[in-house]
Amino acid sequence: GAGVSQSPSNKVTEKGKDVELRCDPISGHTALYWYRQSLGQGLEFLIYFQGNSAPDKSGLPSDRFSAERTGGSVSTLTIQRTQQEDSAVYLCASSFQPLSEIVGELFFGEGSRLTVL
Amino acid sequence: AQSVSQHNHHVILSEAASLELGCNYSYGGTVNLFWYVQYPGQHLQLLLKYFSGDPLVKGIKGFEAEFIKSKFSFNLRKPSVQWSDTAEYFCAVSAYSGAGSYQLTFGKGTKLSVIP
Repeated sequence: GAGVSQSPSNKVTEKGKDVELRCDPISGHTALYWYRQSLGQGLEFLIYFQGNSAPDKSGLPSDRFSAERTGGSVSTLTIQRTQQEDSAVYLCASSFQPLSEIVGELFFGEGSRLTVL
Repeated sequence: AQSVSQHNHHVILSEAASLELGCNYSYGGTVNLFWYVQYPGQHLQLLLKYFSGDPLVKGIKGFEAEFIKSKFSFNLRKPSVQWSDTAEYFCAVSAYSGAGSYQLTFGKGTKLSVIP
C-alpha cells in the first residue's frame, strides 16, 4: 500500500483479555516503530525494529507487552491480560533508513485505538 | 537518555496572530530535530526537520524553526496562523542513546486552537 496500515482501527476489549495489533509498513522500509499515545502524555516509545530484530525494546511498559516482526515487513504488538491503563492509541511508524542514519521522516499509520473496559 | 519538553500544553490564538511553540531537549551530543503535526482525525506527519547547516529551517505551510544549540531549543514559529493550522504539534529529537542504540523521543505535544 501507499502508506502505513494499521489494524484494527478500533478495539474494545474486556480487562484480562489478550489483544493483537497489526502494522503493515510501507514496502521497503526496514525500520519500524511502535509508539503509544495517551491523552496528555504525548507519544511514548515502545519498541523499534530494524529488519526482524528489535535493537531497542526499552519502552515496553511490562512483560505483558511483546512485539514481533516477520519477513522484515508486518509487525504485531501483543498485549496480554489487558488492563484499563493500557487504553490508548497505538501508533506504528516506518522509515527507509535505520534510526542511526535517519535523515528522512517517519511515516505514521493512523493508529489503533484500544479501549479496555 | 534524552528528553524533550514542550512548555505549552494548549495554545489558543486568533487568525493572523503570530505563533511560537517552545521545545527544549536535554542531550549533550549531536541531535537531529523534528516537528511533527497531527491535524484532527489525521495521522502524524512531518512539518520540518533539522540535521545540520543553517539553524533556521523552513517547513511546509509557512512554518519555520530555529535550532539554538546553546539553549538546547528548537522552537517552532509561524508569522500568521490560519484556522487550518488547528492541530497538535510534536517536537522530536533523535540521538545516540548508548550501546549502539539510537532513540527518537517525542515531547508531549502542544495543542493549537486557532479561532477564526
